[in-house]
Amino acid sequence: NAGVTQTPKFQVLKTGQSMTLQCAQDMNHNSMYWYRQDPGMGLRLIYYSASEGTTDKGEVPNGYNVSRLNKREFSLRLESAAPSQTSVYFCASNSAPYNEQFFGPGTRLTVL
Amino acid sequence: RKEVEQDPGPFNVPEGATVAFNCTYSNSASQSFFWYRQDCRKEPKLLMSVYSSGNEDGRFTAQLNRASQYISLLIRDSKLSDSATYLCVVNEGGGGNKLTFGTGTQLKVEL
Repeated sequence: NAGVTQTPKFQVLKTGQSMTLQCAQDMNHNSMYWYRQDPGMGLRLIYYSASEGTTDKGEVPNGYNVSRLNKREFSLRLESAAPSQTSVYFCASNSAPYNEQFFGPGTRLTVL
Repeated sequence: RKEVEQDPGPFNVPEGATVAFNCTYSNSASQSFFWYRQDCRKEPKLLMSVYSSGNEDGRFTAQLNRASQYISLLIRDSKLSDSATYLCVVNEGGGGNKLTFGTGTQLKVEL
């Protein structure tokens, strides 16, 4: 059981470039989440998918899009990267309401 | 006002000490509560859930006071390996099972 996996682990982009962060979970969880973590800000929710086929905005969705490709996979896309999107991005999943969330190892993104 | 507030620390304590962290949350309709641990440059991992009756897991004790909207974590007999950032986390209910995270309290346990 790999749990939640994320690729890539590290990425450097130039302003205006696009990229997709990949996330997959093998725990048969219904809900998946994308967060960003910045110093002094804590984790902030970007987008989430409560179940396969649905996605919703979180606290900080601007500049991002998501796709829930199937029950296992939830990707995050930056269409035109900006320096303000330099952050650590975590994907998470959980099985049922009010249960714990399991996190992937994170992607460290730098936008120059 | 932040929805989940924690003292950022750092708390520097000697090995073997007892240390307590506190957290307050603003949404009285919050449904469930957790403490997560995050090591430097790693992902958050669940330390323990927090129940109204209080719960204990080895050296760790968590308490919830719904009336005061206050959550605590007590660590007894601190170990060097307890050094980490401790995140107070609240599920505010509503759709999507979304969690709200505090900014974390940093603990450093020293020899």
